[in-house]
Formats: sequence, C-alpha cells, structure tokens
Amino acid sequence: QVQLQEWGPGLVKPSETLSLTCTVSGGSISNYYWSWIRQPPGKGLEWIGNIYYSGSTYYNPALKSRVAISVDTSKNQFSLKLSSVTAADTAVYYCARLGDRGTYYPFDYWGQGTLVTVSS
Amino acid sequence: SSELTQDPAVSVALGQTVRITCQGDSLRSYYASWYQQKPRQAPVLVIYGKNNRPSGIPDRFSGSSSGNTASLTITGAQAEDEADYYCSSRDSSGYLHYVFGSGTKVTVL
Repeated sequence: QVQLQEWGPGLVKPSETLSLTCTVSGGSISNYYWSWIRQPPGKGLEWIGNIYYSGSTYYNPALKSRVAISVDTSKNQFSLKLSSVTAADTAVYYCARLGDRGTYYPFDYWGQGTLVTVSS
Repeated sequence: SSELTQDPAVSVALGQTVRITCQGDSLRSYYASWYQQKPRQAPVLVIYGKNNRPSGIPDRFSGSSSGNTASLTITGAQAEDEADYYCSSRDSSGYLHYVFGSGTKVTVL
C-alpha cells in the first residue's frame, strides 16, 4: 500500500519561502507523476503542480512564478518550494500521486496533509 | 485554464439517492474524478474515469458524464457518506494541468 507523508515547517514568515517534502513509502516514486494540492482553511482544493519522476513539471498558471517542485528518486521524495508567501498561502498542503489507471490519471493516493501558516 | 462548478450543498434522506453535478468546458474532453473529504481528513478518491471505483469504495457510488457535466450518484445514502465531495479533471490547456470544483457538502438527514 502506497503511503505519502508531508513534512516541513508549520509556520513561515511573510515574504519568505515555504518548503515542504513528501516521502513516498510502500512503492517506488518511479514511473508516476506526483502532485501538490492545497486547501485554505474552510475552503476548497487547489492544484499546485505535478512532477514526473524524471523531473518534468507542470504548474498552476496562477502560482507558476512562485512555485518550484523537485524530485529525489534516491530518497523516494519530492518537494515543494513556494516563494514570497503571504497570508493567502496559509493552507493545508497535501502531496498526492497521480495514478496510472489505464487511460485515466486521478489523484489516487494522498498524504494526510500538513498545515502551513504564514504569519510574522 | 478551466473552471468546474458544483452546487455548494445538497441534502438526502437516509437510504435515498442523491446526485451531485460538476460542470465545466474541460469535461467535454476529459472525464472527472471525484473525491470524498470528511472533516479533518485528506480527500479520498471514490470515482474516476467513465465509472470506475477504487478497491474498497462501496458500489453505491457511481459516476456518469454527458457533454460538459459530470455526475456522482450515491444510491442508498448512508450516514457515513456525509462529507464534502470535489470533482476534478485536467483543464483545457492541453498540458497536464488540473482543476478542482468548488465542492459540494452532502448532508444525510
């Protein structure tokens, strides 16, 4: 059973960079796309971006100028950096796998999520 | 990018049937996937593709699609089905970009 676990600072100051890592266990990071998704308190889900195990990335156009996702296959991890954060970036951040279900690619495994608060 | 529109809330009597809809231009090209989210929990995939359920998802959950609208139907709703439900699909950009609907709160009466 694939499991994902996010980890990183729970508090980030305004204008600084948010950094999170997702560790994948129970399966290889290879041959899949991996994603970051966030959810502000009391609001809906927002897709942040995807990365293939080889390093190809796709980002939400609304966040593209501030986002960088990277992968470390040797550690079975992938990471998120979001720069110049404001209070609007306060959210629960989820990592997820973009599953290969035949011709369909849903988010089939999710981490438990980690709350990141942007505050001075 | 694209937007996916969902009704904010619906209610259903215990044991009855409820349908949740999701509208958006991208759904003319891509199937939606559906996620159930209970309070303080991560979303769980319940339907993907034409009408596919991951293992462990009860068969009272089903999906359908027509034109720019995708639907999730719960037939014989149970108390444990009370949750927020989100649709998602690739957007219309041609890239591997995704979009989520705004979510529907399902209350089981």
